[in-house]
Amino acid sequence: GAVVSQHPSRVICKSGTSVKIECRSLDFQATTMFWYRQFPKQSLMLMATSNEGSKATYEQGVEKDKFLINHASLTLSTLTVTSAHPEDSSFYICSASSSGYGGERTGNTIYFGEGSWLTVV
Amino acid sequence: KNQVEQSPQSLIILEGKNCTLQCNYTVSPFSNLRWYKQDTGRGPVSLTIMTFSENTKSNGRYTATLDADTKQSSLHITASQLSDSASYICVVQYSSASKIIFGSGTRLSIRP
Repeated sequence: GAVVSQHPSRVICKSGTSVKIECRSLDFQATTMFWYRQFPKQSLMLMATSNEGSKATYEQGVEKDKFLINHASLTLSTLTVTSAHPEDSSFYICSASSSGYGGERTGNTIYFGEGSWLTVV
Repeated sequence: KNQVEQSPQSLIILEGKNCTLQCNYTVSPFSNLRWYKQDTGRGPVSLTIMTFSENTKSNGRYTATLDADTKQSSLHITASQLSDSASYICVVQYSSASKIIFGSGTRLSIRP
């Protein structure tokens, strides 16, 4: 079945540095990818919608200059947390949407990555 | 305002018992409703997907129902197992599936 891969699964970085998280769709083309962050015991919070070849659409309250999203190909989207601070420490998850994968009648199918734990020290 | 609300927020049941989780939504135009299971520290895994015309969908011990008229969905877990302990998230897509809203989830704990 379809798989979405995230890398790295865990990363520790120093305050003030930037860190990049990759999201890859391994066996399907993802026209749309979503990025979320999740704090402990809380729900997923959508940060932005990434469309291949165009600028990402950010949710209200999410700083686009802080969280840079690039969706350069149909299989790869990246999230770069710039000038990271300890409050950016969180669980970041991506999901990828295919068009009619597997012939399902239920519209675009969404698959989630395994998530990336970011700790800023 | 487009919203997805889940209840209860958390639930503890004994192993072997059944339980039902609720999801109410107010999005329009509706495209599909999904239930996901998320283990702590892992990405969500799809359990069921239902469109407007589908009112029930099963996946093993998980059975989801959808009432598009009342905009309510439920996820019923039968004969619970310890491995069912997780967060269960209701997700609704709308506007021709171009938009998505997540419920806040129900944290389910199964006790031996």
